[in-house]
Amino acid sequence: DAEITQSPRHKITETGRQVTLACHQTWNHNNMFWYRQDLGHGLRLIHYSYGVQDTNKGEVSDGYSVSRSNTEDLPLTLESAASSQTSVYFCASSEAGSKNIQYFGAGTRLSVL
Amino acid sequence: GESVGLHLPTLSVQEGDNSIINCAYSNSASDYFIWYKQESGKGPQFIIDIRSNMDKRQGQRVTVLLNKTVKHLSLQIAATQPGDSAVYFCAEKAGGSYIPTFGRGTSLIVHP
Repeated sequence: DAEITQSPRHKITETGRQVTLACHQTWNHNNMFWYRQDLGHGLRLIHYSYGVQDTNKGEVSDGYSVSRSNTEDLPLTLESAASSQTSVYFCASSEAGSKNIQYFGAGTRLSVL
Repeated sequence: GESVGLHLPTLSVQEGDNSIINCAYSNSASDYFIWYKQESGKGPQFIIDIRSNMDKRQGQRVTVLLNKTVKHLSLQIAATQPGDSAVYFCAEKAGGSYIPTFGRGTSLIVHP
């Protein structure tokens, strides 16, 4: 069955370190998204991609970057981790088309100490 | 552990009751709406969707109602079960956009 997987599921890092969260989908979807979820804020869009070599900033993109070298993967990089980036991160994918139902991974819980 | 249900509107029901979760949306240009369920420690999961040219859509034990006049969406769950306990999000999308706007969510607690 097609799926979307995130790794690691849990990560503890120190302030200032570079961190990369992986997202891999086997749906063959063109669209991929990264969200963070915090208490009181719901899901907030960080970055998204509509296809290979395409990346776009979301509403909370500062301090994050993504790259899309193939259809299956959209890794999220925190250039220099900050305590404010402690959160749960979700990756999602959707196919091109009028509905665009997003399918989410199980999430990565990141703690920046 | 941390729960996404904290600080959210909460609906508590007894097992077997019907549940109604409400959502107000903001964009009158939105033409597609989705309900997601998020269980503790998991990612959001698609439940049901509805286009703006409909006012009602039924799934298995779930019904979504859309009132475009007042920009209101509801999710009805029949014979609620303990496994329905989760946070429920509505999402709206305007035509031509691939990016939905998510509501903050409602925490549903089902008591046995």
